[in-house]
Amino acid sequence: AQSVTQLGSHVSVSEGALVLLRCNYSSSVPPYLFWYVQYPNQGLQLLLKYTSAATLVKGINGFEAEFKKSETSFHLTKPSAHMSDAAEYFCAVSIYSSASKIIFGSGTRLSIRP
Amino acid sequence: GAGVSQSPRYKVAKRGQDVALRCDPISGHVSLFWYQQALGQGPEFLTYFQNEAQLDKSGLPSDRFFAERPEGSVSTLKIQRTQQEDSAVYLCASSLEVTAGSNEQFFGPGTRLTVL
Repeated sequence: AQSVTQLGSHVSVSEGALVLLRCNYSSSVPPYLFWYVQYPNQGLQLLLKYTSAATLVKGINGFEAEFKKSETSFHLTKPSAHMSDAAEYFCAVSIYSSASKIIFGSGTRLSIRP
Repeated sequence: GAGVSQSPRYKVAKRGQDVALRCDPISGHVSLFWYQQALGQGPEFLTYFQNEAQLDKSGLPSDRFFAERPEGSVSTLKIQRTQQEDSAVYLCASSLEVTAGSNEQFFGPGTRLTVL
């Protein structure tokens, strides 16, 4: 069975600081991995996805994530945080294809300090 | 349309009432998914349609939950005899098709259901 674990339910960083949100996955087959962002009272928006091409994936809004098979990790980073990055972030995994059932982590709330 | 739409956006029901939640997927999208997101949690898969066929309903929590997509476009999630534990945000997502490599699921804004 597939699963994801997000380390830290709440992360707070200063504006301009590095953002690092941690995600580890479990999958018996090569996974498809995603990061989604959810702003208050809005739906989920895809930030980026890994589909077995390049291990370093670049997404929208300056975010990127690196697939590390040896560590079963897919951590999300951004070099410099903006106030507008404050939101809930979900790591997720899927198999078969990137449009089949998605298994989500429990989420990490990112707060940005002025 | 421009994106996935869901209605109503908010629904308050008394325990024991039946509710129906509607999802309008992006035009032409073959696959449609329903997820349940409890407060403070990540979304959890409920069910999946490919056109009008319900191919996976393994996530439906009980037989009080029923979903349909009779014409392969609009979908309705029905919850009978609602219970307080049904309170959650119900998210709908659609995608072009399941097997086409890197297709992405597009999510609607959700329906927030509160059962009193």
